[in-house]
Amino acid sequence: GAGVSQSPRYKVAKRGQDVALRCDPISGHVSLFWYQQALGQGPEFLTYFQNEAQLDKSGLPSDRFFAERPEGSVSTLKIQRTQQEDSAVYLCASSFQSSGDTQYFGPGTRLTVL
Amino acid sequence: KQEVTQIPAALSVPEGENLVLNCSFTDSAIYNLQWFRQDPGKGLTSLLLIQSSQREQTSGRLNASLDKSSGRSTLYIAASQPGDSATYLCAATSQGGSEKLVFGKGTKLTVNP
Repeated sequence: GAGVSQSPRYKVAKRGQDVALRCDPISGHVSLFWYQQALGQGPEFLTYFQNEAQLDKSGLPSDRFFAERPEGSVSTLKIQRTQQEDSAVYLCASSFQSSGDTQYFGPGTRLTVL
Repeated sequence: KQEVTQIPAALSVPEGENLVLNCSFTDSAIYNLQWFRQDPGKGLTSLLLIQSSQREQTSGRLNASLDKSSGRSTLYIAASQPGDSATYLCAATSQGGSEKLVFGKGTKLTVNP
C-alpha cells in the first residue's frame, strides 16, 4: 500500500512569503505528526494530531507556524512570513493508533528561504 | 525533559564487520524506543520498535536492546554490508504525555567494500 506522501518535495521561498506544506498520511492512520529537521540534526517535534484534534502543538517555534487536519486525514503545515531560520526539512509521520505505535515517515519537504 | 544522545556521531567500518551503535536517554520513564535509518535526502525508515516492557527486538541482521534502568539502547548490526551505509537515529517516546518522538542527532555509518 501507499506510504506517507508529502508535497511539494522542494520549496524555495523568498523571505516574508507564506508557504503551505501538505501531508497525506497512510489511509486509516489516526495519529499524524510534524517534525522539523535542520541539516545534520535529528528531527524535532512540531505538532501532533489525533484524527482532526490537535493535541500537542508545543513544538511550534512561533505563532507564524500553523497546522491543521480538518477532516482527520490530510494535514497542512503553514508558515507565514518565512524567515531564513525556517529553512529545514519538514517531515510528516503517521501511526495507526496512539499509544506509541510505530511512526511511518514521509520523504519530507525541503524548504529553503532566501 | 527527555534528551537523547547518540555516540559515535560517525563510524566507518569494513564490510563484514559486526558493529554496535549506542543511544542514551535521560528520562527512563519511556513508553518505547525506536531505531530508524535515514538515507541522504530521504525520509526515515523504521527499523525496530522496543516497548518499555521488552528487553530486545530482532529483525534479520539487526538486534536492538533496551535497558531502561541505565537509560541505554544499542543497535547491533551483524555482518555489515555497503548497503547498510546510512544515518541511524534512535528516538524515545515518553510516558504520560504526547506521542511525540524525541530524537538523537544520529550516527552516520559508512560500510566500506
